[in-house]
Amino acid sequence: GDSVTQMEGPVTLSEEAFLTINCTYTATGYPSLFWYVQYPGEGLQLLLKATKADDKGSNKGFEATYRKETTSFHLEKGSVQVSDSAVYFCALIFNAGGTSYGKLTFGQGTILTVHP
Amino acid sequence: GAVVSQHPSWVICKSGTSVKIECRSLDFQATTMFWYRQFPKQSLMLMATSNEGSKATYEQGVEKDKFLINHASLTLSTLTVTSAHPEDSSFYICSVGGGRGAYNEQFFGPGTRLTVL
Repeated sequence: GDSVTQMEGPVTLSEEAFLTINCTYTATGYPSLFWYVQYPGEGLQLLLKATKADDKGSNKGFEATYRKETTSFHLEKGSVQVSDSAVYFCALIFNAGGTSYGKLTFGQGTILTVHP
Repeated sequence: GAVVSQHPSWVICKSGTSVKIECRSLDFQATTMFWYRQFPKQSLMLMATSNEGSKATYEQGVEKDKFLINHASLTLSTLTVTSAHPEDSSFYICSVGGGRGAYNEQFFGPGTRLTVL
């Protein structure tokens, strides 16, 4: 079945450091890919998304490129801030058809802590 | 995107009692809502898909008689944990489907933390 694998955390960085969180997926077709972020005590928020190969999603300085050849969607940010401390989830979804919703499949989540 | 609320945000109950959690779509008519469960420091597990006006579709391994889902209107879905036990303690999150088509983006509520004593 479909699955998403994220790099194991937790990840601890100093402010202004470069961030990479790896995400790879296994799927039989061409899913849409997402990164969600969960701040402490809150629900999930969509960070960015890409719907087809070579698409780059970007938001708040974060970027991820849909790589079909490596089945990857790695999250990157050039300079992290303390406020980026959160849990990051990679996820995929298939279009289930015009009259129904697909199901989100999540990775296990990566805890990011950024120190001043 | 859609604004989704959950009530209560946290609840503590005694073993054997039932607890109802509400999920509301505040600015969007949601024909489909999703219920997830999240254990500490773990990922989200889809429990069921809630369809307005019809029976929910449960994922394999989820007891439908224990986790009762009702989606009576386009803005409200409820999850009732019946005869709760300590192993039901968890973070329950709902989401609303943002629209049909290839993206199927979901908007998430803030979650409800259930503690069963």
